[in-house]
Amino acid sequence: QLQLQESGPGLVKPSETLSLTCTVSGGSISSSSYYWGWIRQPPGKGLEWIGSISYSGSTYYNPSLKSRVTISVDTSKNQFSLKLSSVTAADTAVYYCARGRIPAASDCWGQGTLVTVSS
Amino acid sequence: QSVLTQPPSASGTPGQRVTISCSGSSSNIGSNSVNWYQQLPGTAPKLLIYSNNQRPSGVPDRFSGSKSGTSASLAISGLQSEDEADYYCAAWDDSLNGPRVVFGGGTKLTVL
Repeated sequence: QLQLQESGPGLVKPSETLSLTCTVSGGSISSSSYYWGWIRQPPGKGLEWIGSISYSGSTYYNPSLKSRVTISVDTSKNQFSLKLSSVTAADTAVYYCARGRIPAASDCWGQGTLVTVSS
Repeated sequence: QSVLTQPPSASGTPGQRVTISCSGSSSNIGSNSVNWYQQLPGTAPKLLIYSNNQRPSGVPDRFSGSKSGTSASLAISGLQSEDEADYYCAAWDDSLNGPRVVFGGGTKLTVL
């Protein structure tokens, strides 16, 4: 069955760029009608949607993060990626990648990866 | 401050029926479908209900969702100890500031 796995540095320095990759296995990222997204959860807090990319390549970003976020897809590697620039301690969170028929209803999630922003 | 409002906590005894509310506005719940997630401790969220009241395959029919106007509810009947988790509602928001997915702040369900 479909599996998603996040990967990337667990520690990022303030003002630098956080970069994560989500590898999709058990299915093709090029499958039509799906959205591939990133959601984060600060320690002990709730969920925050970062953004999604559609099967056609259209991107949708949280307005509060839009100026710092880029989501892209690499179909040759069956992966999609997140870049978040100019990070601060407030960006410390568990970052999840997920898939859904619509951005608000993700039916398959990665296990999550903790990213800490600290010098 | 979450865009969707949920009670921070709820509780019930085994076998009971519990409901969790989610309140929004015309730009989110009022014009888009509501989805619910269950997050067990230390794990990724799991989609529990989509499109207001649809269950993904494998989700027990003890879980049900409903929506009316700008509010939605998740009901859990025949409460079990393994239902102890955090529950989140989510919806698309057609905000003038820019469309986005919005979540409730989460409700921690305790099975007494």
